[in-house]
Amino acid sequence: QQKVQQSPESLIVPEGGMASLNCTSSDRNVDYFWWYRQHSGKSPKMLMSIFSNGEKEEGRFTVHLNKASLHTSLHIRDSQPSDSALYLCAASRGGSNAKLTFGKGTKLSVKS
Amino acid sequence: DAGVTQTPRHEVAEKGQTIILKCEPVSGHNDLFWYRQTKIQGLELLSYFRSKSLMEDGGAFKDRFKAEMLNSSFSTLKIQPTEPKDSAVYLCASSSGTVNTLYFGAGTRLSVL
Repeated sequence: QQKVQQSPESLIVPEGGMASLNCTSSDRNVDYFWWYRQHSGKSPKMLMSIFSNGEKEEGRFTVHLNKASLHTSLHIRDSQPSDSALYLCAASRGGSNAKLTFGKGTKLSVKS
Repeated sequence: DAGVTQTPRHEVAEKGQTIILKCEPVSGHNDLFWYRQTKIQGLELLSYFRSKSLMEDGGAFKDRFKAEMLNSSFSTLKIQPTEPKDSAVYLCASSSGTVNTLYFGAGTRLSVL
């Protein structure tokens, strides 16, 4: 069973729209979450990380974390065609890379 | 600084062959990871090295997969013998510390016929 579940599997949003991606861990010991973005045929690149309850904003990207429910979400406002990619959520205990578990990802398509 | 370099970018193997994938981490990074990526399973950890010492060997991948790190700037992943189910993208990543960002290479796409 996948310990990190992402939803939806795929998402289509219009250019300029808001994209909302979800991620939940079933491992109650995790407390660090990362979001990686992988453009087609390219390697994953870290987008944002969050370790504390609440919200973190960087430009058009906002990440929320609820540690009680082990749920994180990524919101992209004013979505651009260049945001079209596979978004991977990863979680670990104590922030350790060695125990990092990835979800299968959400494929985002931004249509102009 | 150069990023993570993986070679070859593409590999085609016959079932039963031995293949070796190569990875050069970011200079100065102490942690190195090998992952396998498929659409069905997503990213799966194969091996993890810290300062050249094998810390994690990926459990289920032990029997035919062997990763080595002979020096701090070079790692190999050997698959012996290959099976069609090994067809996937193999990603190498490095990090400067336990809680730091992973930097991924471009990957090697392996096709086993």
